[in-house]
Amino acid sequence: ETGVTQSPTHLIKTRGQQVTLRCSSQSGHNTVSWYQQALGQGPQFIFQYYREEENGRGNFPPRFSGLQFPNYSSELNVNALELDDSALYLCASSDDESPLHFGNGTRLTVT
Amino acid sequence: QKEVEQNSGPLSVPEGAIASLNCTYSDRGSQSFFWYRQYSGKSPELIMSIYSNGDKEDGRFTAQLNKASQYVSLLIRDSQPSDSATYLCAVYSGAGSYQLTFGKGTKLSVIP
Repeated sequence: ETGVTQSPTHLIKTRGQQVTLRCSSQSGHNTVSWYQQALGQGPQFIFQYYREEENGRGNFPPRFSGLQFPNYSSELNVNALELDDSALYLCASSDDESPLHFGNGTRLTVT
Repeated sequence: QKEVEQNSGPLSVPEGAIASLNCTYSDRGSQSFFWYRQYSGKSPELIMSIYSNGDKEDGRFTAQLNKASQYVSLLIRDSQPSDSATYLCAVYSGAGSYQLTFGKGTKLSVIP
């Protein structure tokens, strides 16, 4: 049990729609990271938030955006969904440079 | 472009044998190295971390790191069918935000 919870577990959206994924960090962790894992690939870093500020971003377009709240929970928003956005979205929380432990993920399917 | 390379497999070993999983990385400045296990349809689970050259043992798992060769490996002794999963190698470069670069994973099958 990592203490990181994600919702929803599964989601089906249509191309062009918008989606919001949610993550509750493990207690005491002030950093949250989001990763995208396409089928058959390793997770790809999307971005990281530290104390409500984005402090790192991977090679993802601006339609991927996020928020971190004062209680350190987080949201990932994706606008104008494309078929290639279908993937497992993973959230991980950490404290400084502690190893990342992922939540159970959200499986997004775009049709 | 920081890269992490793994043999995609599948790697098949008989039950009770030693499974050897390998990973190479491109960024010589990398500082921290991790192995995650991922069962089909599940999220990755951290099983080992290693930060300095040499071996680190935890139960049936041994991680080995050779920074000069930019090589990290995971040995699983007395492999069990329950070890059948995809094993992901991840590397932290130590620069900027704490982001991990993952390999594509090696699929391991342990045959009873």
